[in-house]
Amino acid sequence: GDSVTQMEGPVTLSEEACLTINCTYTATGYPSLFWYVQYPGEGLQLLLKATKADDKGSNKGFEATYRKETTSFHLEKGSVQVSDSAVYFCALTDNSGGSNYKLTFGKGTLLTVNP
Amino acid sequence: KAGVTQTPRYLIKTRGQQVTLSCSPISGHRSVSWYQQTPGQGLQFLFEYFSETQRNKGNFPGRFSGRQFSNSRSEMNVSTLELGDSALYLCASSWDTSYNEQFFGPGTRLTVL
Repeated sequence: GDSVTQMEGPVTLSEEACLTINCTYTATGYPSLFWYVQYPGEGLQLLLKATKADDKGSNKGFEATYRKETTSFHLEKGSVQVSDSAVYFCALTDNSGGSNYKLTFGKGTLLTVNP
Repeated sequence: KAGVTQTPRYLIKTRGQQVTLSCSPISGHRSVSWYQQTPGQGLQFLFEYFSETQRNKGNFPGRFSGRQFSNSRSEMNVSTLELGDSALYLCASSWDTSYNEQFFGPGTRLTVL
């Protein structure tokens, strides 16, 4: 079945440091890939997405590139802020065989950014 | 426009009871999905509804059920509650393609004592 593996953290960084959260996936067919963010006490918000190989998703300074050859979708940001502190989830939908609407999530990575 | 709303936000129940959670999607969204979030298992897909029909179902026992009404509002029901059902239950709505964003509600925190 489909699965997503991401570094679980926690990750603690100082403000303005570089961030990379690794994410790899296993899926049949051609998945769409997503990064969601969850702030304390809230639901999930879509951060960025990519729907085909070599697509780059970007939003709020975060980027991730869909790498089919390495089945990866690593999240990166060049300079983190205290306000980026949250839990980040990598996820996929498998676009083959009728499971299009089911998101499969990684375990989540807690990011804490200190001033 | 209004986001996804879930009621109630918090619930405390005892083992053996049943519970019904409600989700109102964003206006115009016809797909509603439910997820369970726990510290141990993370986020797990429960089921997805579109036009009052269940299209996808996750690997949960039959005690977990749901339905969708003609106005796209959805409810999920858990019968014979167990301690392990304590979780944050998240509802998400979207337009009708997998490429579109799923918009999540704030969740219902269920505690089973």
